[in-house]
Amino acid sequence: DAGVIQSPRHEVTEMGQEVTLRCKPISGHNSLFWYRQTMMRGLELLIYFNNNVPIDDSGMPEDRFSAKMPNASFSTLKIQPSEPRDSAVYFCASTPRGRSGNTIYFGEGSWLTVV
Amino acid sequence: AQKVTQAQTEISVVEKEDVTLDCVYETRDTTYYLFWYKQPPSGELVFLIRRNSFDEQNEISGRYSWNFQKSTSSFNFTITASQVVDSAVYFCALRADKLIFGTGTRLQVFP
Repeated sequence: DAGVIQSPRHEVTEMGQEVTLRCKPISGHNSLFWYRQTMMRGLELLIYFNNNVPIDDSGMPEDRFSAKMPNASFSTLKIQPSEPRDSAVYFCASTPRGRSGNTIYFGEGSWLTVV
Repeated sequence: AQKVTQAQTEISVVEKEDVTLDCVYETRDTTYYLFWYKQPPSGELVFLIRRNSFDEQNEISGRYSWNFQKSTSSFNFTITASQVVDSAVYFCALRADKLIFGTGTRLQVFP
């Protein structure tokens, strides 16, 4: 079975440009998470969805960040306009239906560099 | 509020040594889940183990073992006879509703 699929794997963009990161969760999973990893702040939860509905977006750093999940098989994380401090690895993860103890499976990450 | 503390930032050992990675957590929930993930140099996050708050039985999987103690809110991870391939960053995580990670422990195993 395919795991969580993220694209692009690597992106370098100029400050001020819009960045869109994409995620396809594992089929049948109903919860989706976006995390950001930096050296300074470690792994931070940005937002998570249950059944395509955003449940907690308190980790979204500011209005420049937005996330959508239009259907059960696709989610986007958008940064507009991007800034150098947004450079990080962005992970998408999903978990199946059921109790909160279900294992969360991570994609390979999108490595973003904003210059 | 939930919190996970991994006090050890970095540990270096020589191959075949045993090493224990510490994890202390805080939560007010009575039902919660604890996880360990491994992040090798390639960057992916690899699931290692999940325990629920009602199961304090320790677990062993090959060279890996986990010690869960609710009395001290700890969920420590031991690697026996470490190998160079164990070199990675290891994250402890807690989930009541959302999954919160500790800051990670970088393990370097030298030949």
